Amino acid sequence: NAGVTQTPKFQVLKTGQSMTLQCAQDMNHEYMSWYRQDPGMGLRLIHYSVGAGITDQGEVPNGYNVSRSTTEDFPLRLLSAAPSQTSVYFCASSPGGWTAPQETQYFGPGTRLLVL
Amino acid sequence: AQKVTQAQTEISVVEKEDVTLDCVYETRDTTYYLFWYKQPPSGELVFLIRRNSFDEQNEISGRYSWNFQKSTSSFNFTITASQVVDSAVYFCALSGRGAGKSTFGDGTTLTVKP
Repeated sequence: NAGVTQTPKFQVLKTGQSMTLQCAQDMNHEYMSWYRQDPGMGLRLIHYSVGAGITDQGEVPNGYNVSRSTTEDFPLRLLSAAPSQTSVYFCASSPGGWTAPQETQYFGPGTRLLVL
Repeated sequence: AQKVTQAQTEISVVEKEDVTLDCVYETRDTTYYLFWYKQPPSGELVFLIRRNSFDEQNEISGRYSWNFQKSTSSFNFTITASQVVDSAVYFCALSGRGAGKSTFGDGTTLTVKP
């Protein structure tokens, strides 16, 4: 299993450009999430999904769109990049269910985004 | 709303010392899960330990142990006989039931000096 994969690893954008951060998992996990990590801070939830076709907003959703057409993929779209979106973005997945092991999230390696 | 507080921003110890990382949480959920993650300088997030809200038994796993006290809403993490490779940022996280979404603390940077 590759686990959770993210592409690209690093990206530089100009203000106003759009792009899609890719996330894929091969563990047949039900839940997937996107977080951003700013310097000196913990992770903050952007959007999450509890299954294909179902998404919802997290703590900091503005400026981002998501969709989940398959169980495996959960792309994050930046509509019009702003310098405030400079951050490290982590995708995570978890099995889902009602027991603690099912709640554990497994994280991808992250995407570093710089918006000039 | 959920909240996780890691009051210790930075800790520095000498190798082989024991070190405890503090975590205090707030939640209205009756069922919840607590986690510790490690983020080494390479940047990835590594899952370390997990605890259910309905199981207050404290455990030891190798050099790691944790102290979960529901009465004080604390979930502290101890590394015994610290090593240089333990140097990293450690995050405490809280998750409600379902949906795989967590609230993270701001992290504690641990530096272990040889």
